[in-house]
Amino acid sequence: GEKVEQHESTLSVREGDSAVINCTYTDTASSYFPWYKQEAGKSLHFVIDIRSNVDRKQSQRLTVLLDKKAKRFSLHITATQPEDSAIYFCAAHNYAQGLTFGLGTRVSVFP
Amino acid sequence: EAAVTQSPRNKVTVTGGNVTLSCRQTNSHNYMYWYRQDTGHGLRLIHYSYGAGNLQIGDVPDGYKATRTTQEDFFLLLELASPSQTSLYFCASSDKARGLEQYFGPGTRLTVL
Repeated sequence: GEKVEQHESTLSVREGDSAVINCTYTDTASSYFPWYKQEAGKSLHFVIDIRSNVDRKQSQRLTVLLDKKAKRFSLHITATQPEDSAIYFCAAHNYAQGLTFGLGTRVSVFP
Repeated sequence: EAAVTQSPRNKVTVTGGNVTLSCRQTNSHNYMYWYRQDTGHGLRLIHYSYGAGNLQIGDVPDGYKATRTTQEDFFLLLELASPSQTSLYFCASSDKARGLEQYFGPGTRLTVL
């Protein structure tokens, strides 16, 4: 079945710098890749997604890149702010297995 | 935005105890899910359902039962709780095909002593 590896378990960035989180997946049938954010003590909420018919999607300071050939996708956060500090989960979806999550990346933004 | 609520928010029980976690969604979503979140394991799917009366097993179903009584309500049952089931439990719902665009509840922290 699908396996999603999230390469960075922790990421520490200076406020104003960029952060990049990288994920890889195994199942070529996966075609939808959402990202979720979990702030301290809170639940997960959706932040951005990308479908396999495009290779880039941007929403304000967030950009997702998808490389289907390498089975790799990444989340780029520009001009980081303290409120970006959270755990970010990548996930991959296919219709046979549903949604498979990575283990999460803890992003800390320091002044 | 979809509203998913869970109760209780915190629960402490003893080994062998009987626990029911409740989830309600108010947006008439077809799919509902139960996950557990543990450090080092991320989110793991326990059970899910695509409608009242339906139940599908997830990736880590052992020791858990679930029941979907209505479109809105999905329950997770631990009939003989064990310390290994100490975890943070999330319910989620979605209206699309299985797994897409999930909205998560606030979570229930369960401690089994």
